[in-house]
Amino acid sequence: QQQVKQSPQSLIVQKGGISIINCAYENTAFDYFPWYQQFPGKGPALLIAIRPDVSEKKEGRFTISFNKSAKQFSLHIMDSQPGDSATYFCAARGTSGSRLTFGEGTQLTVNP
Amino acid sequence: DAGITQSPRHKVTETGTPVTLRCHQTENHRYMYWYRQDPGHGLRLIHYSYGVKDTDKGEVSDGYSVSRSKTEDFLLTLESATSSQTSVYFCAISEVQSYGYTFGSGTRLTVV
Repeated sequence: QQQVKQSPQSLIVQKGGISIINCAYENTAFDYFPWYQQFPGKGPALLIAIRPDVSEKKEGRFTISFNKSAKQFSLHIMDSQPGDSATYFCAARGTSGSRLTFGEGTQLTVNP
Repeated sequence: DAGITQSPRHKVTETGTPVTLRCHQTENHRYMYWYRQDPGHGLRLIHYSYGVKDTDKGEVSDGYSVSRSKTEDFLLTLESATSSQTSVYFCAISEVQSYGYTFGSGTRLTVV
């Protein structure tokens, strides 16, 4: 079973700080790494995604850093805001479009 | 969520009874998925469909069956509900396999 390990389980950050969530995957070929954001009572929504041929992707305050050799990728949220408080999931898709495997999730709380 | 609806939103049922959850989409996407979300486990794939009458098992398919008789509808059935199936169930759709999911708002199922 392909696995994606996510840490930390929960994270508390002050407003304006940097939130960092990490994911690691095992010895399997993945070709697409999305992050999803979920607010209470809602389904997850695609936030940002990266392919392994680039080391970083930035969209506004959200950045994915990708380290192919270490099989790790992380989400950085700059200038974190209370509205960013949500659960974040990393995921990875196997090559040839096989199923998407999700991490365990990180509950982020940004204090005002 | 636009283009995808789940019903019911909440359900309480007794152990041993059959339960059917419905996912309906208006996006004409080929791929549809059922996930369950549990604390500490993230999102786990139950079953998915790659076309009308074409379905396959995910990682936690035991005790569940699915059917897709129309492009727009994907049904998840618990043949005989157990307490371990108490969870939040999410349906997702995508145009490309395992890429760019749109999730529904979820069904909270409690088996007593």
